[in-house]
Amino acid sequence: GDQVEQSPSALSLHEGTGSALRCNFTTTMRAVQWFRKNSRGSLINLFYLASGTKENGRLKSAFDSKERYSTLHIRDAQLEDSGTYFCAAPLSGSFNKLTFGAGTRLAVCP
Amino acid sequence: GALVYQYPRRTICKSGTSMRMECQAVGFQATSVAWYRQSPQKTFELIALSTVNSAIKYEQNFTQEKFPISHPNLSFSSMTVLNAYLEDRGLYLCGAGTDYAEQFFGPGTRLTVL
Repeated sequence: GDQVEQSPSALSLHEGTGSALRCNFTTTMRAVQWFRKNSRGSLINLFYLASGTKENGRLKSAFDSKERYSTLHIRDAQLEDSGTYFCAAPLSGSFNKLTFGAGTRLAVCP
Repeated sequence: GALVYQYPRRTICKSGTSMRMECQAVGFQATSVAWYRQSPQKTFELIALSTVNSAIKYEQNFTQEKFPISHPNLSFSSMTVLNAYLEDRGLYLCGAGTDYAEQFFGPGTRLTVL
């Protein structure tokens, strides 16, 4: 079955507001990565976490392996933040095999 | 920084023909390369993982006979989609990295099958 449940599937924000994306894992994961798929289709690395939290500009991510979830917070959303966001975690036995969430399609509106 | 290039970015092939796609890691030595496919309306699905000094491991529903992969050195990998049909269309992503570290992805090769 699906090992990564990502929510929401779609999100609409006004400029300047914020929200959070979440990924729940059905098993204990050793790490999590967050990506944004840009308009050209490229996956942009946002965060890699083995534990705790990381912050980069208006983005902040947290990962709790024991509680089996990760979040991505966006604050002061800008138009250029629009895109599809994915979380991914390594399958058991290999750090190099990632299982992806279904993605969150974010639209930031003026 | 770490970059991953993929070529071609887009390709169109006739049903039943084959096409080859390439993946190049720049700025780091990729001890592993994983190939994924994102089919329409789906998330990314792992096809196979190629690790230096190990055999290429294919996931369920994917075979070497259909998706042969070459990984001759730490910076380059190629995969061929043999005998492509409609169900093979989608975005093929190459993810490269080292053990116990984040993976970096190329922009993908979008395959259209006519």
